[in-house]
Amino acid sequence: AQSVAQPEDQVNVAEGNPLTVKCTYSVSGNPYLFWYVQYPNRGLQFLLKYITGDNLVKGSYGFEAEFNKSQTSFHLKKPSALVSDSALYFCAVRGGTNAGKSTFGDGTTLTVKP
Amino acid sequence: DAGVIQSPRHEVTEMGQEVTLRCKPISGHDYLFWYRQTMMRGLELLIYFNNNVPIDDSGMPEDRFSAKMPNASFSTLKIQPSEPRDSAVYFCASSRGLGHTGELFFGEGSRLTVL
Repeated sequence: AQSVAQPEDQVNVAEGNPLTVKCTYSVSGNPYLFWYVQYPNRGLQFLLKYITGDNLVKGSYGFEAEFNKSQTSFHLKKPSALVSDSALYFCAVRGGTNAGKSTFGDGTTLTVKP
Repeated sequence: DAGVIQSPRHEVTEMGQEVTLRCKPISGHDYLFWYRQTMMRGLELLIYFNNNVPIDDSGMPEDRFSAKMPNASFSTLKIQPSEPRDSAVYFCASSRGLGHTGELFFGEGSRLTVL
């Protein structure tokens, strides 16, 4: 079975400071990991993914994520937050025995204050 | 490409009525997903299809819900009869398989309110 945990419902940071949104996962076999962002009244938008290779992956809008196999984590990071980064962020896992299925975490609301 | 297209964007109906939500996936995508989003339950996978065949419908709440994919360019999610607790935003998403890119492309959602 697949599962994703996002331990923080909310993350608050000041503009210009680094941000981290946490995610841990569980899946049998090799994980395919994704981050998505959702703005109010919109669908989810893909940010970045880890399939294989370098553990640090870079995505849209300056976001990056670090895959850590031993800790089964895939935390989303950005060196310098912008007010416009404020949104709902979802971590997702795909793969394993149910290869097509994509399971999402509960989401983390990121608020960046000026 | 126009992206994933969902209709209607908003639907308000009365308890007991039939509701049909529609989705047109991105051309060339062989996976299609239906999700439901609520404040209380977050984002739930209802069902997904691969090559128009339902693969996992374990998330479908009960027999009142049904989904079909008659061809590669169209899917429906039907609720009959609808109940107030079905009020939610329903998202359709499509993707290619993991051997390609794997990420999901979401539509803008259908906001359902059942009175």
